[in-house]
Amino acid sequence: EAQVTQNPRYLITVTGKKLTVTCSQNMNHEYMSWYRQDPGLGLRQIYYSMNVEVTDKGDVPEGYKVSRKEKRNFPLILESPSPNQTSLYFCASWTGYHYEQYFGPGTRLTVT
Amino acid sequence: DQQVKQNSPSLSVQEGRISILNCDYTNSMFDYFLWYKKYPAEGPTFLISISSIKDKNEDGRFTVFLNKSAKHLSLHIVPSQPGDSAVYFCAAGPGSNYQLIWGAGTKLIIKP
Repeated sequence: EAQVTQNPRYLITVTGKKLTVTCSQNMNHEYMSWYRQDPGLGLRQIYYSMNVEVTDKGDVPEGYKVSRKEKRNFPLILESPSPNQTSLYFCASWTGYHYEQYFGPGTRLTVT
Repeated sequence: DQQVKQNSPSLSVQEGRISILNCDYTNSMFDYFLWYKKYPAEGPTFLISISSIKDKNEDGRFTVFLNKSAKHLSLHIVPSQPGDSAVYFCAAGPGSNYQLIWGAGTKLIIKP
């Protein structure tokens, strides 16, 4: 089954404690992206990747890091989480030939 | 500056009637528009799309209309069913770096 998986689904952590949210896709897509969803703001892109070892900033990259060492995986790293990073995070992948993106189920992050 | 706007945060429609969700955009360079549907605790899923060379696209009960002169698109669902209750996101592309630009979403509630 074609899918994008994210882990964990729910995470409560404290300010400053480094965390990683994993994302994996099994569709051999070149493009992957991380979004955050906040009430009234829709989906805002954090980082995206066009292929292995190729990443770039989206609209709201501050406080986040990513890496793309393998085509299928695109982890999101928060080196020192802060309360303003409390949000719902989605990973997505797509081919790049068209715009339809496939989304993971989301990770609800709370930073206290 | 929100380039894609969904001005109705929520919409309530009687089962069996038509649901009309609206989306406005400001960037005339957008050439592809998509609608996504999102249930609670799930990621957004692609619903229907339209390219700027068309003014209408149908897929079963779902029809998207594009009015380029007004920079407006709408999603029509006929007839509305209880399973259509969800948040609907409008997205447009390409933005910078091939990304999609997302609206804030409209929560559709279908009343029995």
